[in-house]
Amino acid sequence: EIVLTQSPATLSLSPGERATLSCRASQTVSNYLAWYQQKPGQAPRLLIYDASDRATGIPARFSGSGSGTDFTLTISSLEPEDFAVYYCQQRSNWPPLTFGGGTKVEIK
Amino acid sequence: EVQLVESGGGLVQPGGSLRLSCAASGFTVSSNYMNWVRQAPGKGLEWVSLLYAGGSTYYADSVKGRFTISRDNSKNTLYLQMNSLRAEDTAVYYCARLTSGYLRDWGQGTLVTVSS
Repeated sequence: EIVLTQSPATLSLSPGERATLSCRASQTVSNYLAWYQQKPGQAPRLLIYDASDRATGIPARFSGSGSGTDFTLTISSLEPEDFAVYYCQQRSNWPPLTFGGGTKVEIK
Repeated sequence: EVQLVESGGGLVQPGGSLRLSCAASGFTVSSNYMNWVRQAPGKGLEWVSLLYAGGSTYYADSVKGRFTISRDNSKNTLYLQMNSLRAEDTAVYYCARLTSGYLRDWGQGTLVTVSS
């Protein structure tokens, strides 16, 4: 089973700042990695798939990069609605689908 | 429009059983890879089970032998039969459609609480 480790656990930033979130896989997943956003009381929403492709309707301020074992989600300029928890997920070797532990982006 | 609506959650005693339902609209359950994903209170996401379009099923080790995923094609509905429930099964359970390996469509979730 591929283990995904996200860092940091919490990111404290102000609106307008740049957010950089990391996801590291225990073995290569090629580019088969997604990012999800989850707000309190809501289901997760797919943001990025195949490491760098934005899902339908996702604003351009969200971007993903990386391949192999190291991946990054970047939010170029935080909007108030971007404060949430973000999870990565791999589909390189499944089942099982595996998720990272999450990064909470909170308002500083 | 794709929609997934879960139901069937509630309070159940340890060792008890519960069946969750996920009614789908806007697509055909039997033609898709359908999943259950859960989230314990204040915790992260945990994949639980997968039902392939062809009928194959897969489970997380934590639920194998206790949970059963199935579907009713006539009702376009996905199910999760949960037996021998434990306190650690307490979570919000989401059904989700897998497309090209990613969970693009999610329901709103249903809360299962296992407690005496």
